[in-house]
Amino acid sequence: AQRVTQPEKLLSVFKGAPVELKCNYSYSGSPELFWYVQYSRQRLQLLLRHISRESIKGFTADLNKGETSFHLKKPFAQEEDSAMYYCALSPVGSEKLVFGKGTKLTVNP
Amino acid sequence: EAGVVQSPRYKIIEKKQPVAFWCNPISGHNTLYWYRQNLGQGPELLIRYENEEAVDDSQLPKDRFSAERLKGVDSTLKIQPAELGDSAVYLCASSLVVAGNTGELFFGEGSRLTVL
Repeated sequence: AQRVTQPEKLLSVFKGAPVELKCNYSYSGSPELFWYVQYSRQRLQLLLRHISRESIKGFTADLNKGETSFHLKKPFAQEEDSAMYYCALSPVGSEKLVFGKGTKLTVNP
Repeated sequence: EAGVVQSPRYKIIEKKQPVAFWCNPISGHNTLYWYRQNLGQGPELLIRYENEEAVDDSQLPKDRFSAERLKGVDSTLKIQPAELGDSAVYLCASSLVVAGNTGELFFGEGSRLTVL
């Protein structure tokens, strides 16, 4: 069975500080990994996916198959980054998407 | 484009009452998902449709939950009878799946159910 673990329920940093939201997964095959974000009073939306290898809003995430991790990083956090972040996994060739429990990021001024 | 539209946004009912949620996906999206999100948790898949066919309903509590997607467009999710533990946000999402790979999911605003 697929499982996504986000060990931090809450994460608080100051503006301009680096931020890393951790995500570990459990899956025997080759997964596709995603980060979804939900800003206050907005709907859940895709932030980035590992296959696109792009930086969105300054965020990057690298899939580490050896450590089964897909941590989300940003070198300089901004107040507008405050939101709920969900890591999600989809087995390759499947349309099923499994979410972690989420991490609430607060960026303080 | 309004995106995925869900209604009602909020619903408060007493236990044992029935409740229904409606979802209109983004035009052209062939795949529709219903997720349940409990407080402090991530979304959990209840059922997934490809067009009008339910292809994954393994997590749907079939004794009290039912869903349908007539004509492969709009979908309804029903709970009858509701229990206290059903209090949650019910999220609908849609995507355009190509070649069996997960596309970006577009979510609705959710329907928040409170069972008293």
